[in-house]
Amino acid sequence: DTAVSQTPKYLVTQMGNDKSIKCEQNLGHDTMYWYKQDSKKFLKIMFSYNNKELIINETVPNRFSPKSPDKAHLNLHINSLELGDSAVYFCASSQDLTSRSFDSPLHFGNGTRLTVT
Amino acid sequence: QKEVEQNSGPLSVPEGAIASLNCTYSDRVSQSFFWYRQYSGKSPELIMSIYSNGDKEDGRFTAQLNKASQYVSLLIRDSQPSDSATYLCAVNIMIKAAGNKLTFGGGTRVLVKP
Repeated sequence: DTAVSQTPKYLVTQMGNDKSIKCEQNLGHDTMYWYKQDSKKFLKIMFSYNNKELIINETVPNRFSPKSPDKAHLNLHINSLELGDSAVYFCASSQDLTSRSFDSPLHFGNGTRLTVT
Repeated sequence: QKEVEQNSGPLSVPEGAIASLNCTYSDRVSQSFFWYRQYSGKSPELIMSIYSNGDKEDGRFTAQLNKASQYVSLLIRDSQPSDSATYLCAVNIMIKAAGNKLTFGGGTRVLVKP
C-alpha cells in the first residue's frame, strides 16, 4: 500500500547513456513533483505537474524530460547523462486544493540514487 | 541570498534536552511552512506544518512562526537518540491556484547523544 513509489531504487550507468525513472502515487493527489538532492543534501525542485499539465519547470537542462501520462504517474527521462547528474531523485505528490492550496504538504517516494560513472 | 537558510550543524544535543532549530526565508509572500525529518539514506517525512504566526505544538515538537521577521523554528523537547537526523525547513509559495513551489533549506543535522 505504498503511497508514492518510484523505480528503480538504484541506477548506475555510464556517461552518455539515456535512462528513465518511474513514479506512481496512489493517494489520489492532483500534483506530482521531481526533486533532486545533491551530495550536500540540498533538495531542489525540478518539475511539477498538476493533472498532467506542467506547472513548474525550474532551470533544468533540457536533457531532462518529464512525462505525465495521467495524474497518478510522473516519469523522468534523462538523455546523455553526465557526471553531475549523480544525485538522489525524489518523486513527490501533494493534494492541491484551489481554496486552500497552502494546506498541502508533500509526500515523498523513497528516492532513486543515480550514479553516473 | 538563499531563499531558505538553515544552519547546517551538526547540532549536538544531550538526550532529554531541548533541540532548537532555526530557519529564515527571503520571500515575504511565503504562505506555509513545513518541517521535514530525513534519516540518512531515507526520504523526507513531514513532522510539522504551520501557517499562522505563533506556536504550534504536536507531541514533543513545537513549531514557531514569525512572518514579520521571516523566521520559523522547531523545538524538539526530551530529545531522543532516534531524533538524530537531518531536519529540513520548507517554505511554500503558491504559483497558481493548483500549484505549489516548496523550497527547502539545506537542512540541519541533529545528533542526540545518550
